Amino acid sequence: GESVGLHLPTLSVQEGDNSIINCAYSNSASDYFIWYKQESGKGPQFIIDIRSNMDKRQGQRVTVLLNKTVKHLSLQIAATQPGDSAVYFCAESPLTHDMRFGAGTRLTVKP
Amino acid sequence: SQTIHQWPATLVQPVGSPLSLECTVEGTSNPNLYWYRQAAGRGLQLLFYSVGIGQISSEVPQNLSASRPQDRQFILSSKKLLLSDSGFYLCAWSVRPGVETQYFGPGTRLLVL
Repeated sequence: GESVGLHLPTLSVQEGDNSIINCAYSNSASDYFIWYKQESGKGPQFIIDIRSNMDKRQGQRVTVLLNKTVKHLSLQIAATQPGDSAVYFCAESPLTHDMRFGAGTRLTVKP
Repeated sequence: SQTIHQWPATLVQPVGSPLSLECTVEGTSNPNLYWYRQAAGRGLQLLFYSVGIGQISSEVPQNLSASRPQDRQFILSSKKLLLSDSGFYLCAWSVRPGVETQYFGPGTRLLVL
């Protein structure tokens, strides 16, 4: 079946560096994409979203890029901080109730 | 603003015992509600979703069931727990399915022994 996946299961960066977390999706009908952050023992927290009619969207220190040609989604975190350490999930929504989530990438920020 | 609550936060239950996890949403009406399970170090598996009172759709066959007795209340149940039911259970809500964000509760960690 179609699914959302992640290129890297773990990512370690130095505090202050930029982080890039990647996600591949296979459902070309997906119209809406979301990045979530999940800290240990907590529920996923919405970070940023993007619709298929956009290529880029920026938030506070975060940017999501969508490349529909290669079905690729990325989350960029500028000036990564220790508080950014968490598991990051991408999710896609093909206009059904079934929002599919990737397995997640664990981001570790080294001081 | 909208908030979503889950309880209990942690639960340890023996195999074969019943289960009842509760989720409530405040600050919105007629939300779409979801139950997910997350195994350790894994992604989210959709278990049930509901578009209204008494309306439940099951995504994965299992020994769990869900009910929605009130507009903003979603309950996950089991008559007899299995060891494989252990995991982190998350409730979520959204305004419109598929086109808007799902917002998650704090989760319930269930350990079946």
